[in-house]
Amino acid sequence: GESVGLHLPTLSVQEGDNSIINCAYSNSASDYFIWYKQESGKGPQFIIDIRSNMDKRQGQRVTVLLNKTVKHLSLQIAATQPGDSAVYFCAENPKSSYKLIFGSGTRLLVRP
Amino acid sequence: EAGVAQSPRYKIIEKRQSVAFWCNPISGHATLYWYQQILGQGPKLLIQFQNNGVVDDSQLPKDRFSAERLKGVDSTLKIQPAKLEDSAVYLCASSSLGGQGAEETQYFGPGTRLLVL
Repeated sequence: GESVGLHLPTLSVQEGDNSIINCAYSNSASDYFIWYKQESGKGPQFIIDIRSNMDKRQGQRVTVLLNKTVKHLSLQIAATQPGDSAVYFCAENPKSSYKLIFGSGTRLLVRP
Repeated sequence: EAGVAQSPRYKIIEKRQSVAFWCNPISGHATLYWYQQILGQGPKLLIQFQNNGVVDDSQLPKDRFSAERLKGVDSTLKIQPAKLEDSAVYLCASSSLGGQGAEETQYFGPGTRLLVL
């Protein structure tokens, strides 16, 4: 299928290891953040979100960390599986706005 | 529940031709979005509808792009005439609540891949 993002930063991890994907956001007024996963040939899929009054939120095998001081967001995936291979986007929502502003994405490759 | 449906999945046209994309959001979702995703980049919002009204079309190139959602359900996005730089994936998304704030999760369709030659 078509590759999404031939020139994206790439993170390669061994199956079973933990993955950490980082994102720097631009707007200090953003108060809501979302991680999306996009597999080749598909639309983005919601993974997890976090509000600015939190610094950590956990889901199933995923954790999002927010550091507002340095405007940094990270996605941690525990026990990475081949099905986790995809492009991951962070998105920010500036306060009092209805827009989602997407970052440029990171490709995650899981080695068997 | 059924997801966001889009058609066609692929389209190849020559520059200066016209093209239209169709989106059927998740049933009951009041808010519908069209995004453009250029290869290697994240999606960029083109237009947002709440029911059949436009909330934001500030990033829609209105000289060539148009969109409508006449009955507050399905939507069409049209490009006329197309340019080479319009080659991209056009994503439709919908969310359940109609108020301001992106905290209503946006569910994306599979996209339409457009190639302009």
